[in-house]
Amino acid sequence: DQQVKQNSPSLSVQEGRISILNCDYTNSMFDYFLWYKKYPAEGPTFLISISSIKDKNEDGRFTVFLNKSAKHLSLHIVPSQPGDSAVYFCAAPGDTGNQFYFGTGTSLTVIP
Amino acid sequence: EPEVTQTPSHQVTQMGQEVILRCVPISNHLYFYWYRQILGQKVEFLVSFYNNEISEKSEIFDDQFSVERPDGSNFTLKIRSTKLEDSAMYFCASSLSSGTGANQPQHFGDGTRLSIL
Repeated sequence: DQQVKQNSPSLSVQEGRISILNCDYTNSMFDYFLWYKKYPAEGPTFLISISSIKDKNEDGRFTVFLNKSAKHLSLHIVPSQPGDSAVYFCAAPGDTGNQFYFGTGTSLTVIP
Repeated sequence: EPEVTQTPSHQVTQMGQEVILRCVPISNHLYFYWYRQILGQKVEFLVSFYNNEISEKSEIFDDQFSVERPDGSNFTLKIRSTKLEDSAMYFCASSLSSGTGANQPQHFGDGTRLSIL
């Protein structure tokens, strides 16, 4: 039962260009979404979040867009930098708010 | 910036042995969690803990698993009799608040790689 899906396992982007990472979800009750970034041998690091009452949240180079009707969110990174190369996970808390459901991750490579 | 710390970074254990994974959550956080990630798979929720008791657990968290907060700083995960399929990265997390509408991120440690031989 995959409530949060990331269908692209990997993405390569040239430095300076935009990276767009996508995430789909099935549970229409989700009301809060997060993106985490993970480097090898480290834990997931919180990056940015969005509440379902918004359709966009921006923090520096990172912007998350939420399309509730399509049950889709995306993370835009612009401009992309080599240090952004990592695995990106989208996540959403379940009904009780305790358990986070994670996608399978997208490995982003930013080519210098 | 405060962080969640986990020890050890790598634990190798014989099948059937008990193992204890340790975590020090962020000091002012009240909610604590364990997740695991089997190699090549997604991060999966195991258990959440608040006010010295389990608040939620997944199907993975069976009788072989237990959690404890033995003092004011540590949060441990014990696997009583390890199986080969318990081999995974185990992540501890903590958050300031939780529950529906809390909209608080969970902050993760760097994980313990558990290898069962």
